[in-house]
Order: sequence, then C-alpha cells, then structure tokens
Amino acid sequence: DGGITQSPKYLFRKEGQNVTLSCEQNLNHDAMYWYRQDPGQGLRLIYYSQIVNDFQKGDIAEGYSVSREKKESFPLTVTSAQKNPTAFYLCASSISPSTDTQYFGPGTRLTVL
Amino acid sequence: AQSVTQPDIHITVSEGASLELRCNYSYGATPYLFWYVQSPGQGLQLLLKYFSGDTLVQGIKGFEAEFKRSQSSFNLRKPSVHWSDAAEYFCAVGLKTSYDKVIFGPGTSLSVIP
Repeated sequence: DGGITQSPKYLFRKEGQNVTLSCEQNLNHDAMYWYRQDPGQGLRLIYYSQIVNDFQKGDIAEGYSVSREKKESFPLTVTSAQKNPTAFYLCASSISPSTDTQYFGPGTRLTVL
Repeated sequence: AQSVTQPDIHITVSEGASLELRCNYSYGATPYLFWYVQSPGQGLQLLLKYFSGDTLVQGIKGFEAEFKRSQSSFNLRKPSVHWSDAAEYFCAVGLKTSYDKVIFGPGTSLSVIP
C-alpha cells in the first residue's frame, strides 16, 4: 500500500536534547511538508521541500532543521533551541508543491520531560 | 494578510441531524479550497476540494461543500450525521503567492450525541 509513515508515534525527550522525527513516503511525490499542531491553533508550517536537495522555511522554522537527501524521506530534527517543542507533528506530501492535495502521515507526539 | 477562519470552535449535533461547518477566507483572488478531517491522534484525510468549475463539490463520507465567491466562504455540509463523524475538521486554502502555500484554519471540533 502506498502512503506516508511517521515514526515513532510517541517520543519523549529531555530538555536540551536534539531529537529526529522520521517521515517516509512511497507515493513518488515531489513535495513534502512538516507541520506542528497545538490545541486550538490548527496546523502551522515548519518546513517544506518541493524537490530533492531543496527545502524552505515555513512560518515557524526557528529551532527546527530538515534534510531532503532522498525523494522518499524528509526527516525533521527538533533542536534544543526550540523553546516549546511539546506538540503533535504531522508530515505530509503532495504530487506537486503546495496547492495540490496533501496526504498526511499519522503523526508523532513529542513530549519534552 | 491571507487568513482562514472557522468561526465555530466546537459544535455538538445529534446523530441523524444535519450539519454545516463554516469556513471563510481572506484573499484577493479565488484560491484552491480544501476540507480535511482528523480523528483523535491521527493524521488528516481529505474530504473534498475545489479548484474550479461547479461551486457545489461532493466529497467522501456523504459530505459536500459550496463555494460562494461573494461571501468568501466554503461551508461544509452533511444532511445526516453519523456517530463516526465525530472528529476535528479543518478548512484549508491554497494560495498562489510568491511561493505556493496552503493555509489551514484553526479547526472545528464536532461531537455527535447518540
């Protein structure tokens, strides 16, 4: 089955630690996205990538980093510089950038202890 | 600035009743319009989308939405709600600006009373 996978589903980290969230898709989509979801705030765009080896900052990129070395993979690193990292993180992909339908993964819930 | 509003934070309806979820956007041109649904702890699933043409759009699970240009609205409707429709609903707007971007509304949480 084609789709998007995110791992792990739940992640705990101590303050001051970097952590990497995985996102893999086998839909052959060019574009991939990372969103952060907090209660009552909808989805906010962290980073997006329109093509391999290229990515752009979204609205809340500070404290996060990404890479896009392969078409299928778009990992997100939450660094110690992110002041309030506890949230639900969603990865998505689309055939073409942004205005096409986005397909979402199941999400990763990150909790900072 | 472009924005998407969903005026209702939370709605409760009885099973079998009709449903309308409101969505308004602020943008100078006609954007692309989407409705997504999210079950607790899950990702988002597309219900329907509007790109052009007929302003009444049919989606999955018996949902439909109507684009009204004069009101900058894209309201989601369902004639008879099922208990399994309880979820969070997001309206989204795709914009053609200096870079392509999708903006999501804050969401409406739907509860269904048996």
